[in-house]
Amino acid sequence: TQLLEQSPQFLSIQEGENLTVYCNSSSVFSSLQWYRQEPGEGPVLLVTVVTGGEVKKLKRLTFQFGDARKDSSLHITAAQPGDTGLYLCAGARDDKIIFGKGTRLHILP
Amino acid sequence: DAGVIQSPRHEVTEMGQEVTLRCKPISGHNSLFWYRQTMMRGLELLIYFNNNVPIDDSGMPEDRFSAKMPNASFSTLKIQPSEPRDSAVYFCASSSLFYEQYFGPGTRLTVT
Repeated sequence: TQLLEQSPQFLSIQEGENLTVYCNSSSVFSSLQWYRQEPGEGPVLLVTVVTGGEVKKLKRLTFQFGDARKDSSLHITAAQPGDTGLYLCAGARDDKIIFGKGTRLHILP
Repeated sequence: DAGVIQSPRHEVTEMGQEVTLRCKPISGHNSLFWYRQTMMRGLELLIYFNNNVPIDDSGMPEDRFSAKMPNASFSTLKIQPSEPRDSAVYFCASSSLFYEQYFGPGTRLTVT
């Protein structure tokens, strides 16, 4: 069974702090996506990474795909209350998509 | 673009009743996915269609669940009979690139 483990499960930090959340697997993926989900809504696609070692930036968010394409990280600089939400990673392989259970992030004003 | 449209947004029903969830994908997208989300199990893929044809239904829990996509602009997920353990949020998503999915707002199902 392909599993995507996300850590930490929960994170509560003060506005302005930096944070990193992780998405790990023992399987190789052809691509990996990060989504953010707010209460009462569906997940919203943030980014896709495809190449091992790839780094993508989206304003204060930095996404990295591991060299072996088995893991990924999301770093947020100077977190803001608007960053609060559930962050999900999803790996694509052999016409299958696996979602992690997510990191629930809460930014305190 | 209106995005993925799901109806109803909330459904409360009694055990044993039939439930039908509806989805209108984004125009031009050729893949459609049905997911179920719970706190315990996270987001689980139930079934996905490509060009209206079911490709992978290995996530459908049991015969009580069925899904159809009669045309490119409409899909249904039916549960008959419903059970309390089916209570969850059900999402529909569509995509043109298989792995980049656009989710609807979800249907919160409560079976009492």
